Amino acid sequence: AQSVTQPDIHITVSEGASLELRCNYSYGATPYLFWYVQSPGQGLQLLLKYFSGDTLVQGIKGFEAEFKRSQSSFNLRKPSVHWSDAAEYFCAVGAGPSGTYKYIFGTGTRLKVLA
Amino acid sequence: NAGVTQTPKFQVLKTGQSMTLQCAQDMNHNSMYWYRQDPGMGLRLIYYSASEGTTDKGEVPNGYNVSRLNKREFSLRLESAAPSQTSVYFCASSERGGNQPQHFGDGTRLSIL
Repeated sequence: AQSVTQPDIHITVSEGASLELRCNYSYGATPYLFWYVQSPGQGLQLLLKYFSGDTLVQGIKGFEAEFKRSQSSFNLRKPSVHWSDAAEYFCAVGAGPSGTYKYIFGTGTRLKVLA
Repeated sequence: NAGVTQTPKFQVLKTGQSMTLQCAQDMNHNSMYWYRQDPGMGLRLIYYSASEGTTDKGEVPNGYNVSRLNKREFSLRLESAAPSQTSVYFCASSERGGNQPQHFGDGTRLSIL
């Protein structure tokens, strides 16, 4: 069965420090992978997506993620965190063959940024 | 450029009351989804509609019904609300296919007393 694991429930970093949020997935074929961000009281906003090709993908707000098939991982990174990055981050895999449209979400990682 | 609009934003119900959550999208997307978000559990799919005229159960459909009214609108109904249905509900839409990003509304915060 498909699954997504985000092992870190909470992460705290200082402003200006680098960030890496972990995501591991279980899926039988080449996955479609996504990272979303959710600010308090808001819906989810797409940060970036991976379908195929270059394993390092760039997203909005200076985020990037690297797909590593051998490790079944799709970790999100940012070189220098800003206070406005404080939010909850969700990894998701688009599951199923063409014709089914379901995502599976991880349980999220809440990021706190210290001034 | 509204995207996905959910109404209402907040609601408090008593156990046993009924309620319909409304969702509309203006992106001409074929697929629409209803999720619930609970602390520590991420988003769980309640129902989805791959295209106008079709609906399917997701991971947690019990206690809910849906209607795909037209291509734009997808409503979620609680026939007899229970405290376990206290949650934040999100509607999303996308083009067809598991490789398509989903676009989310801002959510409905529902409390059942």
